[in-house]
Amino acid sequence: EADIYQTPRYLVIGTGKKITLECSQTMGHDKMYWYQQDPGMELHLIHYSYGVNSTEKGDLSSESTVSRIRTEHFPLTLESARPSHTSQYLCASSEVGGWATQYFGPGTRLTVL
Amino acid sequence: GESVGLHLPTLSVQEGDNSIINCAYSNSASDYFIWYKQESGKGPQFIIDIRSNMDKRQGQRVTVLLNKTVKHLSLQIAATQPGDSAVYFCAERISGGSNYKLTFGKGTLLTVNP
Repeated sequence: EADIYQTPRYLVIGTGKKITLECSQTMGHDKMYWYQQDPGMELHLIHYSYGVNSTEKGDLSSESTVSRIRTEHFPLTLESARPSHTSQYLCASSEVGGWATQYFGPGTRLTVL
Repeated sequence: GESVGLHLPTLSVQEGDNSIINCAYSNSASDYFIWYKQESGKGPQFIIDIRSNMDKRQGQRVTVLLNKTVKHLSLQIAATQPGDSAVYFCAERISGGSNYKLTFGKGTLLTVNP
């Protein structure tokens, strides 16, 4: 079982609020990722990081931002939540190397009212 | 854009039967494939992977087959158990692009009937 954690697991919040979704891993992985997943649908990459102080936007446009100040921590922030942000957000990490498997956290289910 | 897709959105099997979940991919430059299992309310869990220089790989009760000629990937689960009920995703990595990015298919819901 991978040691990657996400908090909160569930979040219900009103429109306009600022939120931060936390993701931490204890495996020392350099690579970390955020995916967005609607119920029953595929995962879409929204952000990724090669290492500390490195962040890139993914394939799906997102109004969220990320930071990577420490290897083990990769938080995702929404400055002003909207109902369209309602979704599941999954964090993952992997080792260096092209064949490295991505290990996922349990996800945060976000509902914006 | 090119993407990974699945032939069947749902699959229902009897406990003890073998299950086969299929996945089609369209990018001939894909060189690495992974199967993930996602149970309700959880994140995807790694099952098995295969590189494009292989045709078959076996794990515990699972086998992945890769047919590069027709760009087809399958996951076979032997003696399916109720605990295998989940959504199964295949993911591909496209060679030459970022080594860290995977493209996921839509998923197949496997239901195991006791």
